[in-house]
Amino acid sequence: GNSVTQMEGPVTLSEEAFLTINCTYTATGYPSLFWYVQYPGEGLQLLLKATKADDKGSNKGFEATYRKETTSFHLEKGSVQVSDSAVYFCALINGNNRLAFGKGNQVVVIP
Amino acid sequence: NAGVTQTPKFQVLKTGQSMTLQCAQDMNHNSMYWYRQDPGMGLRLIYYSASEGTTDKGEVPNGYNVSRLNKREFSLRLESAAPSQTSVYFCASSVVETYEQYFGPGTRLTVT
Repeated sequence: GNSVTQMEGPVTLSEEAFLTINCTYTATGYPSLFWYVQYPGEGLQLLLKATKADDKGSNKGFEATYRKETTSFHLEKGSVQVSDSAVYFCALINGNNRLAFGKGNQVVVIP
Repeated sequence: NAGVTQTPKFQVLKTGQSMTLQCAQDMNHNSMYWYRQDPGMGLRLIYYSASEGTTDKGEVPNGYNVSRLNKREFSLRLESAAPSQTSVYFCASSVVETYEQYFGPGTRLTVT
């Protein structure tokens, strides 16, 4: 079935640094792709999405482009803030209206 | 508009005890889900309900049962809790057309 793979390990960076979190997918066809964010002590919330190849999703300064050539949907932000410290999950539709999530990446932004 | 609500927020059980986790949504969504979140494992789907009156197993259904009481409410029951069920449980709901899921704040369950 469809699946996503996220880069291993937490990401620690300084405020105003550039953030990239890698996500690659394996899928039949071109399912919608999502990034969810989980702030400490909260549930997940949708950060952005792309519904077809070459689409770019964006929200709160974050961007991700649906690239079918490299089967990727990497999340980027040009200048992170302490408030961006959270866990980020890549996800895609796995048929029957179900989401398949990656394992998530902890992002820690140091002032 | 409360979104997705879950009760309780925290719970400690002894092995063998039973309990029901409650979930309700006020967004008129057809689909509802139960996930568990464990360190290093991401989110794993326990059960889901595509619409009122239907439920289906997800990746890790063993040891759990669910009830879709009506369109708003979807409960998760642990009949005989085990330490392996120590986890954070999330309920979610979605509109079928967009596949966007909305999550509750979670229930942190510890089984001793």
